[in-house]
Amino acid sequence: RKEVEQDPGPFNVPEGATVAFNCTYSNSASQSFFWYRQDCRKEPKLLMSVYSSGNEDGRFTAQLNRASQYISLLIRDSKLSDSATYLCVVNQNMNRDDKIIFGKGTRLHILP
Amino acid sequence: EAQVTQNPRYLITVTGKKLTVTCSQNMNHEYMSWYRQDPGLGLRQIYYSMNVEVTDKGDVPEGYKVSRKEKRNFPLILESPSPNQTSLYFCASSSTPSGRSGEQYFGPGTRLTVT
Repeated sequence: RKEVEQDPGPFNVPEGATVAFNCTYSNSASQSFFWYRQDCRKEPKLLMSVYSSGNEDGRFTAQLNRASQYISLLIRDSKLSDSATYLCVVNQNMNRDDKIIFGKGTRLHILP
Repeated sequence: EAQVTQNPRYLITVTGKKLTVTCSQNMNHEYMSWYRQDPGLGLRQIYYSMNVEVTDKGDVPEGYKVSRKEKRNFPLILESPSPNQTSLYFCASSSTPSGRSGEQYFGPGTRLTVT
């Protein structure tokens, strides 16, 4: 099983729809979780951290399920500007060293 | 403005010709790292540095060197570039290894082509 796994997509979604991505991770000792957004040919940027209780930032909701070892990102009322690749990022604390694992990303295309 | 800068942004070179990609951050971050990004493989960490004079190998260090003589700078050195090092390279910095603070700040990327 890969350390961090995402559906690569692409997801083609009409504007205004709700879309959800999942990301699974293999190491149960993983401690911190994040979603990054990467636009085409640009650098990744932090979208939001993922907290155990779940968290929301405007149209974006992130959730963590430790028992099943996955995190999710929900985008409501999607906009054309949401088109990007979404990277799942997991921090594993191994032997007192942090190891940052990036998923390969899920491509999202919002269609007008 | 808080930022990570990389230079050059684009570079085409030939096999075996030594090159250096510079990275600088103005946020006084202790932790810096280099990644390469390739289609289908995602972001892979090359090297990282926890602080000045402290560097460590990431997942794909072969063919690369780094140094951390000052807190703000973390250059990536390719002593003898080969075509399989053609890639998009990102430098990143954070106040911690991101396990606790959360955010890594990435530079704009350097697109390297080795012929």
